[in-house]
Amino acid sequence: GENVEQHPSTLSVQEGDSAVIKCTYSDSASNYFPWYKQELGKRPQLIIDIRSNVGEKKDQRIAVTLNKTAKHFSLHITETQPEDSAVYFCAVGGMSGGYNKLIFGAGTRLAVHP
Amino acid sequence: EAQVTQNPRYLITVTGKKLTVTCSQNMNHEYMSWYRQDPGLGLRQIYYSMNVEVTDKGDVPEGYKVSRKEKRNFPLILESPSPNQTSLYFCASSRTPPDTYEQYFGPGTRLTVT
Repeated sequence: GENVEQHPSTLSVQEGDSAVIKCTYSDSASNYFPWYKQELGKRPQLIIDIRSNVGEKKDQRIAVTLNKTAKHFSLHITETQPEDSAVYFCAVGGMSGGYNKLIFGAGTRLAVHP
Repeated sequence: EAQVTQNPRYLITVTGKKLTVTCSQNMNHEYMSWYRQDPGLGLRQIYYSMNVEVTDKGDVPEGYKVSRKEKRNFPLILESPSPNQTSLYFCASSRTPPDTYEQYFGPGTRLTVT
């Protein structure tokens, strides 16, 4: 089945710096790649997603890039702010043998220090 | 207000005592799903349902049951809970994949089995 690996598990940056989180997947048929943000004690919420026919998508300070050949995608956060501190999860959907499933990565705890 | 609700939010129980966690959504979503969240393991899908009376196993279905008798409700049943089912559980809903995979999560249920 699909295997999703997420790195790093923790990330600490200074306010204003950029943060990059990377996920790799194994099933080349997978075609949907979302990122969720989970603040402490709260539910996960979608922040950005990309489909396999697009290489990059931006939304203000966040962007996601996809390399289908290498089977990895990344979340980029620029000009980080303390309110970006949270756990971020990547996920993969649309894989063969489980088209309706979402497989999540283990998460990255991002700390943004003022 | 569009939302996914879960009850109870916190539950402490003993091994072997049957329990049900309820989930309800008011967005007329066809797709509903249950996840468990454990440190270092991310979100793992337990069961999902494409529509009323249609359910399927996720990645960690052992020890759990679900039913989907009505579109808005998707209860999770633990017939004989064990300590390894101590976890944070999230219900989620969405329109039907592949039109969209965006999951709207409930507030979570923290379950402790002693």
